[in-house]
Amino acid sequence: DGGITQSPKYLFRKEGQNVTLSCEQNLNHDAMYWYRQDPGQGLRLIYYSQIVNDFQKGDIAEGYSVSREKKESFPLTVTSAQKNPTAFYLCASTPSANSGANVLTFGAGSRLTVL
Amino acid sequence: RKEVEQDPGPFNVPEGATVAFNCTYSNSASQSFFWYRQDCRKEPKLLMSVYSSGNEDGRFTAQLNRASQYISLLIRDSKLSDSATYLCVVRDSGYSTLTFGKGTMLLVSP
Repeated sequence: DGGITQSPKYLFRKEGQNVTLSCEQNLNHDAMYWYRQDPGQGLRLIYYSQIVNDFQKGDIAEGYSVSREKKESFPLTVTSAQKNPTAFYLCASTPSANSGANVLTFGAGSRLTVL
Repeated sequence: RKEVEQDPGPFNVPEGATVAFNCTYSNSASQSFFWYRQDCRKEPKLLMSVYSSGNEDGRFTAQLNRASQYISLLIRDSKLSDSATYLCVVRDSGYSTLTFGKGTMLLVSP
């Protein structure tokens, strides 16, 4: 079955540590996205990538970094510069970035807790 | 700043009830509209797209009012399994990203 796989599902981190969240898709989608969700809040866009080797900052990119070396993979690194990293992180994809009819397909999410 | 506003709820309704949610958006140039459903501690999943003329999918009806810049979702004959948070999502013309509302929580009780 095609879909998006995120790992790990749960992650605990000490303050000052960088962590990398994995996102892999086998949907052959061009565009991939990372969102953050806090309790009672809407999804906020961290980074997105429309094509391999290209990515753009979203609304809350500070303290995060990404890479897009392969079409299937879009890992997110939460750096120590991110002040409040505890959140639910969601990776998503669409067939292409520039069609208004595109619908997001989400992975199951990674829940990061900073101790 | 783009805004998508929803009543957070929760809306508590008995099984079989009809319930409606509204969502307002700030950008009059917005072109695409969606309702997503999110179960507790799970990822959002598309419930339905919202078309200009309104559309229906079984017990669910979505409406768009461009003049007043709001979207609505009507759920008829509520089921226990409809309990979830419903996210209003808006996409701007020529923009490659989506703006999410904070969601409206629905609790359907026996």
